[in-house]
Amino acid sequence: DIQMTQSPSSVSASVGDRVTITCRASHNIDTWLGWYQQRPGKAPKLLIYDASNLRGGVPSRFSATGSGTYFTLTISSLQPDDFATYYCQQVDTFPRVTFGPGTRVDIK
Amino acid sequence: QITLKESGPTLVKPTQTLTLTCTFSGFSLSSSAEGVGWFRQPPGKALEWLALIYWDDEKRYSPSLGSRVTISKGSSRNQVVFTMANMDPADTGTYHCARLVNLELHLRWFDPWGQGTPVIVSS
Repeated sequence: DIQMTQSPSSVSASVGDRVTITCRASHNIDTWLGWYQQRPGKAPKLLIYDASNLRGGVPSRFSATGSGTYFTLTISSLQPDDFATYYCQQVDTFPRVTFGPGTRVDIK
Repeated sequence: QITLKESGPTLVKPTQTLTLTCTFSGFSLSSSAEGVGWFRQPPGKALEWLALIYWDDEKRYSPSLGSRVTISKGSSRNQVVFTMANMDPADTGTYHCARLVNLELHLRWFDPWGQGTPVIVSS
């Protein structure tokens, strides 16, 4: 299986801050990467697919880049709704998809 | 609007078989290019893919779970049933179902997801 790692594991930030999360894959996955947001007790929500495509309805303050083994998710100006845990997911080996361990974004 | 909701027992004894139902609305699993997947999330750990069923009844399973898991269409047209045999405390977690969605002509993404149902394995 392809292993996914994320850093940092958690970040404390304030409303309006710029936050960047990193995801690394153990093997080349081209751009077969997605990002999910999960608020406590809620369903994971797909934000980004194909490494950089914004899912419909997702605010434009979210952006993502990367290919191969290194990927980033950036929130340009953190809003109260954005305090959540973010997961990267590789679908290169679909359906045997794997997820990163998550990055928790909480309020400073 | 597409929604999915998981249901099933919260507490299961070791060695028992877990049966969960995903009830969905807003799409038909009889239509081409549709699918429903199951995932789980142990406390404090990453999400893990478990199984997938396609509109044509083709099924895929996580190799790590082998023959312990099965997925099937339910008796109602808007349901998918997931079973996991020989439950162990290590199987404790929140179990989610999700719709397989075609994005940019690629049928690889899951969205939306159900909120999940907690499962505790304990005697």
